[in-house]
Amino acid sequence: GQQVQQSPASLVLQEGENAELQCNFSSTATRLQWFYQHPGGRLVSLFYNPSGTKHTGRLTSTTVTNERRSSLHISSSQTTDSGTYFCAIASSSFSKLVFGQGTSLSVVP
Amino acid sequence: EAAVTQSPRNKVTVTGGNVTLSCRQTNSHNYMYWYRQDTGHGLRLIHYSYGAGNLQIGDVPDGYKATRTTQEDFFLLLELASPSQTSLYFCASSDQQRGQNTLYFGAGTRLSVL
Repeated sequence: GQQVQQSPASLVLQEGENAELQCNFSSTATRLQWFYQHPGGRLVSLFYNPSGTKHTGRLTSTTVTNERRSSLHISSSQTTDSGTYFCAIASSSFSKLVFGQGTSLSVVP
Repeated sequence: EAAVTQSPRNKVTVTGGNVTLSCRQTNSHNYMYWYRQDTGHGLRLIHYSYGAGNLQIGDVPDGYKATRTTQEDFFLLLELASPSQTSLYFCASSDQQRGQNTLYFGAGTRLSVL
């Protein structure tokens, strides 16, 4: 089945630094989604991005489908960016999403 | 933003106890899901459904039943709870018929089985 590897597992940044989170997957992804989990547990969708590049605010998601990888770039990090970031992949429009293990980000002042 | 509401938010039960977790979504999404989240395992799919009366088995279904009574309501049942089911449970929904495959999550239910 589909395997999803995220790196790094954890990351500590000084406020203002940039971060690059990676997601690699084992087979073609028709659906790819990035999520952010608040320290309190709430999960929110950041991007639905099976191919190409998308931006929102200080976040950029880039997916290179034929290389089976996606990245999430956070620019000018803030302490409120702290939390866990997940990518999730599905091989077809109607198959279930498989989640990576997540990247735990801590941004310190 | 789609609304997915889970209840209860926290639950403590004893080994062998009976637990029902509830989930309601108010956006007429056809797909609904139950996940559990444990340290070191990320999110794992327990059961999912693509409509009222439908149930599909996920990746970690053992010890769980689920029932989709209406388009809006999806329940997860633990009939003989065990300590290994202590976890954070999330419900989610998506509307794949319209090609909007984005997954929306509820706030989660923290379950402790003593």
